[in-house]
Amino acid sequence: GDSVTQMEGPVTLSEEAFLTINCTYTATGYPSLFWYVQYPGEGLQLLLKATKADDKGSNKGFEATYRKETTSFHLEKGSVQVSDSAVYFCEIRRNTPLVFGKGTRLSVIA
Amino acid sequence: NAGVTQTPKFQVLKTGQSMTLQCAQDMNHEYMSWYRQDPGMGLRLIHYSVGAGITDQGEVPNGYNVSRSTTEDFPLRLLSAAPSQTSVYFCASAGPKDSPLHFGNGTRLTVT
Repeated sequence: GDSVTQMEGPVTLSEEAFLTINCTYTATGYPSLFWYVQYPGEGLQLLLKATKADDKGSNKGFEATYRKETTSFHLEKGSVQVSDSAVYFCEIRRNTPLVFGKGTRLSVIA
Repeated sequence: NAGVTQTPKFQVLKTGQSMTLQCAQDMNHEYMSWYRQDPGMGLRLIHYSVGAGITDQGEVPNGYNVSRSTTEDFPLRLLSAAPSQTSVYFCASAGPKDSPLHFGNGTRLTVT
């Protein structure tokens, strides 16, 4: 079945550092790909998405590019802020049920 | 737009008690699902539904029942609560293929 491998955390960065959180998947065809963010005490909310190969999703300074050749959808941000501290989840969607990665906790220190 | 509404926000049960966690969405989404999230861990799928009258098991279904009599509602029933069911429970729904999941704010359940 479909699966997602997400970079294990926790990740601790200083403010203004560059962030990469890796996400690779195993699935046939062309799944849709999503990143979600979970702030403390809240549910997950959509951060960005890409629905076809070479698409780039972006939001709030975060970006991820759908790489079919490497089956990856890595999340990047050029300069993180303390307010980016959260847990980030990758999701691939081809069929039901939906498949999530295990989440990566990011802590950004001032 | 209310989105996905979960009730209650907090609940404490004694071992052996039963209860129902409520989930309702007003976006006419066909797909609905329940997850549990234990401290420091990711989401584990309990049950899901692709439409009214259709439900299926996820990764950790034991001890939980669901039903989907309407498109809007997807309640999760704990049959006989156990301390291992202490967790935060999230309900989520999604529209057609490329629509993101919409999550409720969670129910924090403690079983003593």
